[in-house]
Amino acid sequence: GENVEQHPSTLSVQEGDSAVIKCTYSDSASNYFPWYKQELGKRPQLIIDIRSNVGEKKDQRIAVTLNKTAKHFSLHITETQPEDSAVYFCAASLSGGSYIPTFGRGTSLIVHP
Amino acid sequence: NAGVTQTPKFQVLKTGQSMTLQCAQDMNHEYMSWYRQDPGMGLRLIHYSVGAGITDQGEVPNGYNVSRSTTEDFPLRLLSAAPSQTSVYFCASSYSTGGGKNEQFFGPGTRLTVL
Repeated sequence: GENVEQHPSTLSVQEGDSAVIKCTYSDSASNYFPWYKQELGKRPQLIIDIRSNVGEKKDQRIAVTLNKTAKHFSLHITETQPEDSAVYFCAASLSGGSYIPTFGRGTSLIVHP
Repeated sequence: NAGVTQTPKFQVLKTGQSMTLQCAQDMNHEYMSWYRQDPGMGLRLIHYSVGAGITDQGEVPNGYNVSRSTTEDFPLRLLSAAPSQTSVYFCASSYSTGGGKNEQFFGPGTRLTVL
């Protein structure tokens, strides 16, 4: 089955800095890579996703990049703000609702004011 | 729409007790799943369902049962609770889209402690 590795487990930055979280996956058939944000005591929520036919996707201050050959993908947050503090999960799956994603272990991002 | 709902929010059990965690969704989603979240372990899949009457095991199914008699409901049963089942449990639902999106919609979670 799919195996997703996520690094780092904890990331501490100053407000305004950039943050990068990296993930690798094992199954070359995976073609859908979502990122979820979980604020303290809340449920995970999708913040951005990318499919394997796209190398990069941006949404305001967040972007995801995908290197299908190397089987790794990354989340980039620019101009970090205290409200970006949360746990971020990457995941990999086949596209389509019947395919349940495999999640990484999560990265706790702390943004210091 | 209420989205995905879970009850109870908190539960304390004694070792050996059984209970059912409830999950319901009102979005007419075909697919539902149960995860457990433990510190440093991410979200691990327990069981999932691709439609009413169809369920399958995930990564950590031992000690849990599920059934899916309706599209809306997907209860998770703990047969004989053990301290190792202390965790936060999330139910999620998803649906097929023509664009290949596979977004998981999570419930608010149930925090379970087994003494």
